Amino acid sequence: KAGVTQTPRYLIKTRGQQVTLSCSPISGHRSVSWYQQTPGQGLQFLFEYFSETQRNKGNFPGRFSGRQFSNSRSEMNVSTLELGDSALYLCASSMGQVSGGKNIQYFGAGTRLSVL
Amino acid sequence: GESVGLHLPTLSVQEGDNSIINCAYSNSASDYFIWYKQESGKGPQFIIDIRSNMDKRQGQRVTVLLNKTVKHLSLQIAATQPGDSAVYFCAENPRGGTSYGKLTFGQGTILTVHP
Repeated sequence: KAGVTQTPRYLIKTRGQQVTLSCSPISGHRSVSWYQQTPGQGLQFLFEYFSETQRNKGNFPGRFSGRQFSNSRSEMNVSTLELGDSALYLCASSMGQVSGGKNIQYFGAGTRLSVL
Repeated sequence: GESVGLHLPTLSVQEGDNSIINCAYSNSASDYFIWYKQESGKGPQFIIDIRSNMDKRQGQRVTVLLNKTVKHLSLQIAATQPGDSAVYFCAENPRGGTSYGKLTFGQGTILTVHP
């Protein structure tokens, strides 16, 4: 069974530009969550999509947005990039519904975004 | 907001030793906890999980202990191997509603295993 796939793996952008990152979840998973990882802030939750609807949202500005398609693939977009947006962006997929009190999230390798 | 934090940022052990990584959490409403391992250049990898109605769970070479009284979580790795060298994160999932897809992570502990 294929794991979570994120593309591209690396991205270099300049301030003010926008970027779109893609995530293909594990087959059968309906939930996709996005996280930002930086040395200073660690792993922080951005948002979660379930059945094409944003179900949870973290404390990030409106420049960060996402969407999910009917095949559960998800994209996240960051507009008007700032230097501080440089980070590893991780996508995780899960069944999205608690089963036996659990909802294990499986992560992709991430997209490394550098903003110059 | 409430978050999950780790006591020790680094841990160095000799190959074959047992390792213990600790985590303190502050959200008493959390009812599900996960340990992840992250190697350089990779995303977090699921190791083991535990629900709040349990105080211990064992996997292959790993054991997670949960003490709800003091809001403390630990990961024990038996016979630590060089391949166990990585950053270890604890994460919590708050109870109820539809927060299933939202995890709050601790800062992480760097485990280094010396041959």
